[in-house]
Amino acid sequence: QQQVKQSPQSLIVQKGGISIINCAYENTAFDYFPWYQQFPGKGPALLIAIRPDVSEKKEGRFTISFNKSAKQFSLHIMDSQPGDSATYFCAASIRGATNKLIFGTGTLLAVQP
Amino acid sequence: GAGVSQSPSNKVTEKGKDVELRCDPISGHTALYWYRQSLGQGLEFLIYFQGNSAPDKSGLPSDRFSAERTGGSVSTLTIQRTQQEDSAVYLCASSLQGVNTEAFFGQGTRLTVV
Repeated sequence: QQQVKQSPQSLIVQKGGISIINCAYENTAFDYFPWYQQFPGKGPALLIAIRPDVSEKKEGRFTISFNKSAKQFSLHIMDSQPGDSATYFCAASIRGATNKLIFGTGTLLAVQP
Repeated sequence: GAGVSQSPSNKVTEKGKDVELRCDPISGHTALYWYRQSLGQGLEFLIYFQGNSAPDKSGLPSDRFSAERTGGSVSTLTIQRTQQEDSAVYLCASSLQGVNTEAFFGQGTRLTVV
C-alpha cells in the first residue's frame, strides 16, 4: 500500500518529442505528488508537484496529469531537449504528522539530438 | 551553507567495519530524511526526523543501521559491521516543518564496502 509504481524504467526520445512517465499508487491517503529530477552524481531536485484537488499542473515544458479515480499520475515533458536527459522519480506523501516521501523506482530518460 | 551538505562524499570501507555518514541540513529545516539509492535503483526510505517528535525508523533495513539527530540539526547515520550489500549512495534531505513541503537533497555519500 505504501508503494509507488513507476514506468517505464528507461525511455529514449528524440529532441523535440514528448516524454511521458507514468506512476500509480494504491494508498488513497497520499495527497502530495512531486516529481524529482536527478542528474548523475547529484541529489534529486524537485521539478514539479501536484495535489489531488487538481487534474493538471503545468510549469513551462513540464506538465503533471493526475487521475484521482485511477490513482495514477504522469509527467509529460514537451519539446524534450538533450539537457532533459536525467533520471526522473515520482513520489507521494501523506498529510499528517509524517511527511515521509515514498519514491518510485525511477525512469532514465535519454533525449537524442 | 545554502544547501544540504553531506560528508564524506565518498567512503570505502572494509567489510565488518563501522561507518558514520554525516548530514548538515539547511538552516531552519526541522524535517530530515535519510534515503538509500542502490545502483540503478530508486530511493529507499530509511529514517525520518521531524522536530522533537520520535523519529520514523520504519525503513531501517536491519539493527546494524541507526541514526541520530543532535540539537535538531546535524544528523549522523551509522552502519555497524558493514556488509557488501550496504554499498550504495546514501542521500540526506531536509525540509521545512509542515506537510507537503519541498525536500532538498544533498549530493549523497557513496559508500563502497570491499
